Amino acid sequence: DGGITQSPKYLFRKEGQNVTLSCEQNLNHDAMYWYRQDPGQGLRLIYYSQIVNDFQKGDIAEGYSVSREKKESFPLTVTSAQKNPTAFYLCASSFGLSGEQYFGPGTRLTVT
Amino acid sequence: GENVEQHPSTLSVQEGDSAVIKCTYSDSASNYFPWYKQELGKRPQLIIDIRSNVGEKKDQRIAVTLNKTAKHFSLHITETQPEDSAVYFCAASRNQAGTALIFGKGTTLSVSS
Repeated sequence: DGGITQSPKYLFRKEGQNVTLSCEQNLNHDAMYWYRQDPGQGLRLIYYSQIVNDFQKGDIAEGYSVSREKKESFPLTVTSAQKNPTAFYLCASSFGLSGEQYFGPGTRLTVT
Repeated sequence: GENVEQHPSTLSVQEGDSAVIKCTYSDSASNYFPWYKQELGKRPQLIIDIRSNVGEKKDQRIAVTLNKTAKHFSLHITETQPEDSAVYFCAASRNQAGTALIFGKGTTLSVSS
């Protein structure tokens, strides 16, 4: 299961604070993704990036921001503008434009 | 908008029975259809995938079928075992450059012995 890591596993924040979730991969994958998983909702795409310094909004990008300064890293910032940030966040990566997506172990964010 | 519907949301079978999970997609340009298995507390992992130029693909006890005309694809698990218990997600590629997927809402499969 190695190759793509997320940290921390659990994260607690107070409402109104921005928080950044880490995602790193050493698989030499070009594309990286952020998903949000809520019970009964499947995986919903927040942002994705095909190459360094480029990224696109997914279905639920409001209240989130990303950067892709390095091929290996794709951090996600959950801003105070996200109305319901408590969720399980999954990062994924893939090699090439039609490759299998490999998922990280996830970060469970709780905002109170 | 683009959508993937997955049914049923829960499925309970006896060990040794077969299980079938069905998905429909809305975008006729979708050409890649993976299935992921997520065990409790773990990350999703790819178990099988199919591309639009193939109608069926098998890997030991699991198989996926695709009907492009009807925009349906299904996961078939034969001779189910307790370790098959998990949440299964189907997904379809989007009609745009890149590999972004649209996921179904998942099916919780329970296999009792």
